[in-house]
Amino acid sequence: EAQVTQNPRYLITVTGKKLTVTCSQNMNHEYMSWYRQDPGLGLRQIYYSMNVEVTDKGDVPEGYKVSRKEKRNFPLILESPSPNQTSLYFCASSPGILGSPLHFGNGTRLTVT
Amino acid sequence: QKEVEQNSGPLSVPEGAIASLNCTYSDRGSQSFFWYRQYSGKSPELIMFIYSNGDKEDGRFTAQLNKASQYVSLLIRDSQPSDSATYLCAVTSPSGSARQLTFGSGTQLTVLP
Repeated sequence: EAQVTQNPRYLITVTGKKLTVTCSQNMNHEYMSWYRQDPGLGLRQIYYSMNVEVTDKGDVPEGYKVSRKEKRNFPLILESPSPNQTSLYFCASSPGILGSPLHFGNGTRLTVT
Repeated sequence: QKEVEQNSGPLSVPEGAIASLNCTYSDRGSQSFFWYRQYSGKSPELIMFIYSNGDKEDGRFTAQLNKASQYVSLLIRDSQPSDSATYLCAVTSPSGSARQLTFGSGTQLTVLP
């Protein structure tokens, strides 16, 4: 089954403790992206990647890191999480063709205390 | 000014009625337009996409695009309670890569039985 898999689904952590949210897709998509979703603010892009070893900042990259060492994986790294990073996170992928739609993972609900 | 604007709602319609959801965007360079449906706590799922001016129909859904006026709308005919969700408008980003999407904050729709 074609899908984007994120793990974990739920995560509660403390300020400053490094964490990684994994994202993997099995559709051989070139384009992958991370979004955060907060009430009233919609989906905001954190980072995106056009292909292996090619990443770029989205609208809200501060406090996040990403890497794209393999085509299928695009982990999101929070080196020193803070409470304002408490949010619902989505990973998404697409073939990368102009205008092609995004396929979303099931989301990761992160709480930083 | 937000790049993609939607009325946040909530929008309530009776079962069987037509629900009309609207979205405006700020950059005339945007080329691709998407409507996603998102149930509470779930990931967005693609409903429609449209690239050319005019109407595009898919079952009970019709997307309308007017590039001169910079708006895109989604009509849902014969609305059902199962259509109750938040609807997100997404537009190809005006700057940088055309493969980036900018999302509106969403319109919450409730279909009353």
